[in-house]
Amino acid sequence: AQSVTQLDSQVPVFEEAPVELRCNYSSSVSVYLFWYVQYPNQGLQLLLKYLSGSTLVKGINGFEAEFNKSQTSFHLRKPSVHISDTAEYFCAVRLETSYDKVIFGPGTSLSVIP
Amino acid sequence: DTAVSQTPKYLVTQMGNDKSIKCEQNLGHDTMYWYKQDSKKFLKIMFSYNNKELIINETVPNRFSPKSPDKAHLNLHINSLELGDSAVYFCASSPLRGSYEQFFGPGTRLTVL
Repeated sequence: AQSVTQLDSQVPVFEEAPVELRCNYSSSVSVYLFWYVQYPNQGLQLLLKYLSGSTLVKGINGFEAEFNKSQTSFHLRKPSVHISDTAEYFCAVRLETSYDKVIFGPGTSLSVIP
Repeated sequence: DTAVSQTPKYLVTQMGNDKSIKCEQNLGHDTMYWYKQDSKKFLKIMFSYNNKELIINETVPNRFSPKSPDKAHLNLHINSLELGDSAVYFCASSPLRGSYEQFFGPGTRLTVL
């Protein structure tokens, strides 16, 4: 069965510092990978996705992620965070063979400190 | 224009009551979902519908019944509400092919007293 692990439940970081949020998954088949962001009291919105092709994916708000098939990881990075990046971040996995089911990780709460 | 909308945004009710949450999407998507997000922010899929047909029905008490009158709507009816049903419920939609991205509604915060 597929699963998604986000090793850090909370990540505090100072403003303008770099950040990496980690995501690992397990699956016996090929997957599509996503990062979603949830700002306080809002729904989730897509940051970026990996479907195929280049393993380095760029998303909105200066975020990027790298797909590493051998390590089954899809870590999210940003070189310089802003206060407005304070939010909950979810990694998600969808099987290539399943068009409808997405498994979400438990989330990482990013707090940017002024 | 709102892509995925939910009503109501907040719902406070007593144990044992029956309530409904409505969801509508104007994106022309084929698939719609209901998720439950608990107090620890954990997001769990409850149901998935494709063109009004139930595709996913996770381990959810049968007090929860989704209804899809058409492709653009997926409502959630909950009977005999319990304290443990308190959570934020999100509706989402996605296209059948292509980006596979899910578009989420703003959520409905349900509080059962």
